[in-house]
Amino acid sequence: GAVVSQHPSWVICKSGTSVKIECRSLDFQATTMFWYRQFPKQSLMLMATSNEGSKATYEQGVEKDKFLINHASLTLSTLTVTSAHPEDSSFYICSARVSSNYGYTFGSGTRLTVV
Amino acid sequence: AQKVTQAQTEISVVEKEDVTLDCVYETRDTTYYLFWYKQPPSGELVFLIRRNSFDEQNEISGRYSWNFQKSTSSFNFTITASQVVDSAVYFCALLIQDYKLSFGAGTTVTVRA
Repeated sequence: GAVVSQHPSWVICKSGTSVKIECRSLDFQATTMFWYRQFPKQSLMLMATSNEGSKATYEQGVEKDKFLINHASLTLSTLTVTSAHPEDSSFYICSARVSSNYGYTFGSGTRLTVV
Repeated sequence: AQKVTQAQTEISVVEKEDVTLDCVYETRDTTYYLFWYKQPPSGELVFLIRRNSFDEQNEISGRYSWNFQKSTSSFNFTITASQVVDSAVYFCALLIQDYKLSFGAGTTVTVRA
């Protein structure tokens, strides 16, 4: 149980285009989801926290107009990288709180390459 | 502010050797949770363990064991009799009341046959 499905697993896009990454909780309701970014050989850096039905909370230094997060339902959160540039190339991972006992589950990640 | 330090960047061992990964954390909260995750080359994060700040009991799960010591703010992880499939990046993480996980830098473990 408590599976988060993340799509796509990888994507290549041209500079200037936008890319949408989806995270779905398959067998539970996720009121809160988290989006992380991971550069090669580095740790996971929290980008934003998304709460169902409200605006996402972005971490310091993360451009909210560039990384649009939508959490319109209890089972779906999306991250859209707008006007992507090569420096946005990274591994993006979503996570959801499973229950009040601080369980977390992670999506399988999306490898974005901007060319 | 909370912080997680994994001082070992890379560890390389031969199969069947034991390997211990260090994790030191900092927080002013008295209630917190500590986690270990495994990230194989495929990229997905695999949950290994969660420990709350009030439970200092060490834990063993198969070849994995964890040593939690609040006195030294450490939560170390040992793989006994390592196998090639254990090759991965291992992350220690800290969670406080804001529900945000803070990850350490990760330790890359390479197990050679």
